[in-house]
Amino acid sequence: GAVVSQHPSRVICKSGTSVKIECRSLDFQATTMFWYRQFPKQSLMLMATSNEGSKATYEQGVEKDKFLINHASLTLSTLTVASAHPEDSSFYICSAPQGDYRGTQYFGPGTRLLVL
Amino acid sequence: DAKTTQPPSMDCAEGRAANLPCNHSTISGNEYVYWYRQIHSQGPQYIIHGLKNNETNEMASLIITEDRKSSTLILPHATLRDTAVYYCIVRADLNSGYSTLTFGKGTMLLVSP
Repeated sequence: GAVVSQHPSRVICKSGTSVKIECRSLDFQATTMFWYRQFPKQSLMLMATSNEGSKATYEQGVEKDKFLINHASLTLSTLTVASAHPEDSSFYICSAPQGDYRGTQYFGPGTRLLVL
Repeated sequence: DAKTTQPPSMDCAEGRAANLPCNHSTISGNEYVYWYRQIHSQGPQYIIHGLKNNETNEMASLIITEDRKSSTLILPHATLRDTAVYYCIVRADLNSGYSTLTFGKGTMLLVSP
């Protein structure tokens, strides 16, 4: 299957700092990527859809000014958690559909964020 | 998207077949059934998907009932590394512009020696 990478795999930061997470499709191009969040013992929740060349689409209840998404190229989307707080501590996972937006989604390994 | 129902947990002995059921009684005719699994602290891994016909790949087999109201994921020879949460997801019509996946709680499969 297709390969999606994320960087960093884990990050610990102080409250108030901003954290950037990168999501890359390694062997295919993705005009669309998806960002999910997963709290302990819970399932994945879609946060936003990242679109190359246009603004991201956010799910209800997700603050676009808090979770900044930039889809800089056909293989890279970044999620920046602005002024992170302890309640933002979570497992952040991206996915990308192979082919067009209808393709099978492949997921990255996830980024564990801990805000102290 | 159609809602799915899965048992919260299942056990399987190593080397035996693991049969994971999924109920999706409200599935529409153009909705696909997808299976993913998530090993602890990792991103979900795609396993298989199907529309009407049974499907098989190197990881698993997917059996969809004729009325499409339920399906079964079969891991033919489970290993300890197959211990994971397995998600059955019904995906909206691929031509409708919707391509997001809605994850439920899944089934926690524990494979034991």
